Amino acid sequence: GQQVMQIPQYQHVQEGEDFTTYCNSSTTLSNIQWYKQRPGGHPVFLIQLVKSGEVKKQKRLTFQFGEAKKNSSLHITATQTTDVGTYFCAGGSNFGNEKLTFGTGTRLTIIP
Amino acid sequence: DTGVSQDPRHKITKRGQNVTFRCDPISEHNRLYWYRQTLGQGPEFLTYFQNEAQLEKSRLLSDRFSAERPKGSFSTLEIQRTEQGDSAMYLCASSLVWPLAALGTQYFGPGTRLLVL
Repeated sequence: GQQVMQIPQYQHVQEGEDFTTYCNSSTTLSNIQWYKQRPGGHPVFLIQLVKSGEVKKQKRLTFQFGEAKKNSSLHITATQTTDVGTYFCAGGSNFGNEKLTFGTGTRLTIIP
Repeated sequence: DTGVSQDPRHKITKRGQNVTFRCDPISEHNRLYWYRQTLGQGPEFLTYFQNEAQLEKSRLLSDRFSAERPKGSFSTLEIQRTEQGDSAMYLCASSLVWPLAALGTQYFGPGTRLLVL
């Protein structure tokens, strides 16, 4: 079955430093989504990417979908303490049938 | 609050007992999903409904698990003869089918944390 892996598993950064998490799927995806889960919270939708090579920005967050639609990345510029949490990518294999396969997540902690 | 709600938020039960969880999606959302999340892992898909129809079930959903959405609004997830391995957070999410731009966005509820002793 489809597997989605993320690296790194954990990332500790000083406040103000940049952060990147990478997502790799074993199969070609129809779309990829990113979610953020705060400690003790539930996943919150951040963004969806559908097109090959697509890049989207949300303020300090930049999301990229690979040309082969098998990998993705999330980059945060100048991290802030509010960025703390676990970031999950989730791959969709068939657009319209939204069974998502979540990645293993990257837990981000910020050192003030 | 117009978000996804789940009840109960926490459930402690003894092995072998049956438990039932409820999910109320965002009112106009016709898709409803159930996921299971264990500590340190991402959510794992269990099943989803479009209106009252259950369209897909994961192999994770053994015969002890059953989900319903009888009127296309709220949904219930029942686990029979619970086992310690069922201990997890059970998350519900909902989404719109139309417009297409909204199709991918799943809104998660706060989850029900189950502990089987």
